[in-house]
Amino acid sequence: SQKIEQNSEALNIQEGKTATLTCNYTNYSPAYLQWYRQDPGRGPVFLLLIRENEKEKRKERLKVTFDTTLKQSLFHITASQPADSATYLCAPLSSGSARQLTFGSGTQLTVLP
Amino acid sequence: EAQVTQNPRYLITVTGKKLTVTCSQNMNHEYMSWYRQDPGLGLRQIYYSMNVEVTDKGDVPEGYKVSRKEKRNFPLILESPSPNQTSLYFCASRGLGASQETQYFGPGTRLLVL
Repeated sequence: SQKIEQNSEALNIQEGKTATLTCNYTNYSPAYLQWYRQDPGRGPVFLLLIRENEKEKRKERLKVTFDTTLKQSLFHITASQPADSATYLCAPLSSGSARQLTFGSGTQLTVLP
Repeated sequence: EAQVTQNPRYLITVTGKKLTVTCSQNMNHEYMSWYRQDPGLGLRQIYYSMNVEVTDKGDVPEGYKVSRKEKRNFPLILESPSPNQTSLYFCASRGLGASQETQYFGPGTRLLVL
């Protein structure tokens, strides 16, 4: 069955450092992979999408990589700030008729001042 | 402003009393879906719809119904709610196509079934 794993439920880092979050998937051949941010009690907010033919995508302090051989995506936040503290979700999306979007359980990031 | 709205935002009900949570989007999106989120279990898809009159089960459809009579609306119906349906519910929508994969979520509906 399809499975999405995100590294450790919680990740604490010091302000100014780079946070690296991992998303591994099995029994998937996603055409895209998305990353979302979720704050407590609120709906997830889209951050970045990376396609299977893209190795890396950047947006301001965010960087996403996508390795279809390793079946892994890495999500980096550089120069992290306390305001970056949230839960981050990855969601591989397979092309095809169903086009369901399934989410990983998320990594809770806390940036310490 | 592009948005997905849900109502009500908070709901307390009793076992067996039918309820409907409404969802509406203003982006002319074809695809809409419902998720529930529970501690330790993450977001799980209940139902989704590819377009008007086209709906399909997600991962946890038992105890829920949906309808898609209009493109903008996708209500979630609990015919006979039970305590195990106490959860945080999110509606979401997105376009279909290579450049429209961003999914927009509503603000959530927190449901307590006594």
